[in-house]
Amino acid sequence: NAGVTQTPKFQVLKTGQSMTLQCAQDMNHNSMYWYRQDPGMGLRLIYYSASEGTTDKGEVPNGYNVSRLNKREFSLRLESAAPSQTSVYFCASSDEGAYEKLFFGSGTQLSVL
Amino acid sequence: DAKTTQPPSMDCAEGRAANLPCNHSTISGNEYVYWYRQIHSQGPQYIIHGLKNNETNEMASLIITEDRKSSTLILPHATLRDTAVYYCIVREWGTYKYIFGTGTRLKVLA
Repeated sequence: NAGVTQTPKFQVLKTGQSMTLQCAQDMNHNSMYWYRQDPGMGLRLIYYSASEGTTDKGEVPNGYNVSRLNKREFSLRLESAAPSQTSVYFCASSDEGAYEKLFFGSGTQLSVL
Repeated sequence: DAKTTQPPSMDCAEGRAANLPCNHSTISGNEYVYWYRQIHSQGPQYIIHGLKNNETNEMASLIITEDRKSSTLILPHATLRDTAVYYCIVREWGTYKYIFGTGTRLKVLA
């Protein structure tokens, strides 16, 4: 099993460009998440999806949109990238039950010039 | 907002126990405490979780105070590979929101 797969691993954008970060999990998890991590900081929740067809805002949703395409895939879109969105983006999914451990992807390093 | 408070950094000698504290004074009765760690810039890795009883697994032990307002993660014999940022998290009950704070940067010294 690959776990949580994120693409791309690195991306450089110019201000105003758009792009979509892709995330897929093969663990049959219902819940999926997008976090961002700025240099020297902790992770901040952007959006999450408790189940297929539902999405909710996290701590820092402004400037982002998400799509839960199916149970496996959860994408994050930047419509008009800004330098403040330069960050490392992590996707995660969680298993079922009361414990719901998070499983993370390896991250996407995004630079907006 | 993060519901936990952790010291920003700690040092520990290799081979000694590393005790990482976490304050979660607003925790509700049915909310679990989770610990994750992040090595370099990798995705965080689950370590352990607990509700009210002390827990132990192959990686660590978790001690939760009786009033549940604080907890301590114990790495019994720290190695250089345990150098990482450790996050204590309380998941909001009834939601799927895992809010990470800034964590504790643990440095294990040779």
